[in-house]
Amino acid sequence: GAGVSQSPSNKVTEKGKDVELRCDPISGHTALYWYRQSLGQGLEFLIYFQGNSAPDKSGLPSDRFSAERTGGSVSTLTIQRTQQEDSAVYLCASSLMATGPGEQYFGPGTRLTVT
Amino acid sequence: AQSVTQPDIHITVSEGASLELRCNYSYGATPYLFWYVQSPGQGLQLLLKYFSGDTLVQGIKGFEAEFKRSQSSFNLRKPSVHWSDAAEYFCAVGVTGTASKLTFGTGTRLQVTL
Repeated sequence: GAGVSQSPSNKVTEKGKDVELRCDPISGHTALYWYRQSLGQGLEFLIYFQGNSAPDKSGLPSDRFSAERTGGSVSTLTIQRTQQEDSAVYLCASSLMATGPGEQYFGPGTRLTVT
Repeated sequence: AQSVTQPDIHITVSEGASLELRCNYSYGATPYLFWYVQSPGQGLQLLLKYFSGDTLVQGIKGFEAEFKRSQSSFNLRKPSVHWSDAAEYFCAVGVTGTASKLTFGTGTRLQVTL
């Protein structure tokens, strides 16, 4: 079946602009995660969804970052007033269950470059 | 809070040689442990996982890993490396009993020489 998809694959934006990144999880997966991969910081957890609610937003680096999930499926990560330090690859993952040893399946990522 | 250490940033091995990538974790109870591989421009692919039971786990592509509680380690091994194994490898830990957000190590980049 189809894996996790993300769009766009690449995004170049000017400092100060808003961006939206989209994640389409594997059908039937209830849990959805956003991670950020950047040089010097490695892979960092951002936020996790169980259904449409986000019980854990602890990784969001600032209030410029927000995310939502609708219909228990697609999720959008929004970054407002982008800064150069936001440049990174944003990875989305989904899993069948939120608790317990659920395997997370990752999408290919969106490479964000803020100029 | 849990943490993961991958002490080797970069490793080079010859094709056909054996491989061991090190991973140490810090967590108060038995964690869920994972190894992922990332090829250039690709997302993360799960190689193998440990939840409980047999401490030697087998994964895809001929990889295996051994959980050693006494050493807080979960090292990844392969008896004979292929050129296509060149990639970045990440060890990750998930916390038992809660939402399984993963904490990743900083990764080990594997280069394979022919």
